[in-house]
Parts: sequence; structure tokens; C-alpha cells
Amino acid sequence: GDSVTQMEGPVTLSEEAFLTINCTYTATGYPSLFWYVQYPGEGLQLLLKATKADDKGSNKGFEATYRKETTSFHLEKGSVQVSDSAVYFCALRGTGNQFYFGTGTSLTVIP
Amino acid sequence: DTAVSQTPKYLVTQMGNDKSIKCEQNLGHDTMYWYKQDSKKFLKIMFSYNNKELIINETVPNRFSPKSPDKAHLNLHINSLELGDSAVYFCASSPPEDRVWGYTFGSGTRLTVV
Repeated sequence: GDSVTQMEGPVTLSEEAFLTINCTYTATGYPSLFWYVQYPGEGLQLLLKATKADDKGSNKGFEATYRKETTSFHLEKGSVQVSDSAVYFCALRGTGNQFYFGTGTSLTVIP
Repeated sequence: DTAVSQTPKYLVTQMGNDKSIKCEQNLGHDTMYWYKQDSKKFLKIMFSYNNKELIINETVPNRFSPKSPDKAHLNLHINSLELGDSAVYFCASSPPEDRVWGYTFGSGTRLTVV
């Protein structure tokens, strides 16, 4: 069945460091891929998405490219800020209504 | 205008009590969901309703019962609360079945059973 695997955290970075959070997926067909962010005490918010191979999603300085050949959708940001501290979830949606979420990666950015 | 709203935001109650959590969405979406998030942030789907009809019912105790009076509302009723029910419960909604659309989440209800 469909599934998402993302790197385990927690991840701690200094401000302005480069961020990569790895995400790989298993799916039949051609799923859409998403990154959600959950700030402390809040619900999940859609950060970015890509709906087909080689698409790049981007938002707030974050980027992720849909790589069909490596079944990956890694999240990157060139220079993180303290305000980026949150939990990040990779997810896929294939045919049908159900989302498949990764286990979440907690990011803490220290000044 | 809040797209998906849940009430209450916090709920503290004793073991054995019965409680309800309400969810409303004003996005016109056909499908609504309940997720449970544990202390390690793991998200587990509990129920999914499409236009007031149950379409996903994962393995959850039958003490949990969803009710959808109309397609804009999906409430969660929990009987005989147990300590292990303590978690954050999220409601979400999505447009009709189409893989390009993401879910819109509510801000969550933190349930603490003491």
C-alpha cells in the first residue's frame, strides 16, 4: 500500500543553517506530494505541494522537488530562522481520499 | 473567517466521562476527517465522512462515535473516557476526491483525561 517515510528527528540547527528533511514514498500510480508544517500549539498548515514528477513546490523559502526516479520529496531551505521551529510532515495523496502522513520531523532553530 | 473550526480547544475531564468535540468547515468541502495525534506527534486517521456518509472507519474503539448532521459538520463523541484517550484531536476537510488537493486542518482539541 501507499506510505511515506521521513527522517526521524529531532533536528536542531543554528540560525541561517541549511535545512534538509528527507522524505521518500511508496505509491501505486501517480500521487501528489505535500509538506505540512505544525507550529507549536497549532494545527497543520499546508506548506507546499507538487502534483507530478519534476514539479517543484515552494513557499516561505522552502522548496521540495518531486523525484519519481528516487521516489523522494525532500524539503530544503537555504537559511533557517528561529521562526521555522516546528514539526514538518511529509504526505502523499493518491487515488481516493486518504492522505498518508509521515511520522513528522521536529525542527528547532537556535539563535 | 476560520475555514475549519473546532471546539473546544482544550478539554480536561475525568476517566469514565462522556464528551463531544465539534467541528465545522465553511469551505464547501464534501469530505471531513478526524485524526488523533499522540504525544510523539504521530497522526492517525480515525474517521472520514463524505457528504454525511462514513467512508473510512479505522480501528478505533467503539467508544468513539462520529456524527455528521450535514456536510459542513463532523462531531466526535467519546464515551467512557480512558487515560489513553489523552491526545490532540484534529478535524480536517478536503474537496471532492482529487489527488491534487490537500487537506485543511482545524487548530486541534487537546483532550486530557485525568
